[in-house]
Amino acid sequence: QTVVTQEPSFSVSPGGTVTLTCGLSSGSVSSSYYPSWFQQTPGQAPRTLIYRTNSRSSGVPDRFSGSILGNKAALTITGAQADDESDYYCMMYMGSGIWVFGTGTKVTVL
Amino acid sequence: QVQVVESGGGVVQPGGSLRLSCAASGFTLRNYNMHWVRQAPGKGLEWVAFVEQAGSEKYYADSVKGRFTISRDNSKNTVYLQMNSLRGEDTAVYYCARDYVYSFDYWGRGTLVTVSS
Repeated sequence: QTVVTQEPSFSVSPGGTVTLTCGLSSGSVSSSYYPSWFQQTPGQAPRTLIYRTNSRSSGVPDRFSGSILGNKAALTITGAQADDESDYYCMMYMGSGIWVFGTGTKVTVL
Repeated sequence: QVQVVESGGGVVQPGGSLRLSCAASGFTLRNYNMHWVRQAPGKGLEWVAFVEQAGSEKYYADSVKGRFTISRDNSKNTVYLQMNSLRGEDTAVYYCARDYVYSFDYWGRGTLVTVSS
């Protein structure tokens, strides 16, 4: 079964830029996987940031952007703020009615 | 405003059953596909199940296939997750989410299921 991989952790300075990636254990990510990105702080429900590779969900600040970089999906946070400190998950639609989440990345802002 | 609210969680013994409900409000449920997603304590998110608008197409993660059943009653604005043969590894917060372009746009706050003797 295909595993969706993410970096375990990232640190970014306030005002800095960080790019998280989301890859597949076999094969390349493309827009046909409809990659999504979610933000979750401890004890809270996830919040959808990005769907369909690069479409921002309603109310999401434009400092969050999605893209395909090489063979992976990517989430870039530009001008990181303290309240961006969260866990971030990607998700892929694998086809045939199956969705798979990534392993998650913990982002620290300091 | 759009809301989905989960209920039905609790403590159940291994091998037992539980039915979760997801009450939808602020939108017409029959127009949307719906999902269940779970998160074990201290772990990541795991997609569990999907049901299409009319309830005829259903898909499951391998980890729950044959034990869990997703269903919906559009007349009651509710989606269900029937969980049978529960195991310790099913212990998790279960979220209901509305489908939007192969992703989700609205999430509930979740309901905790604990499988323990």
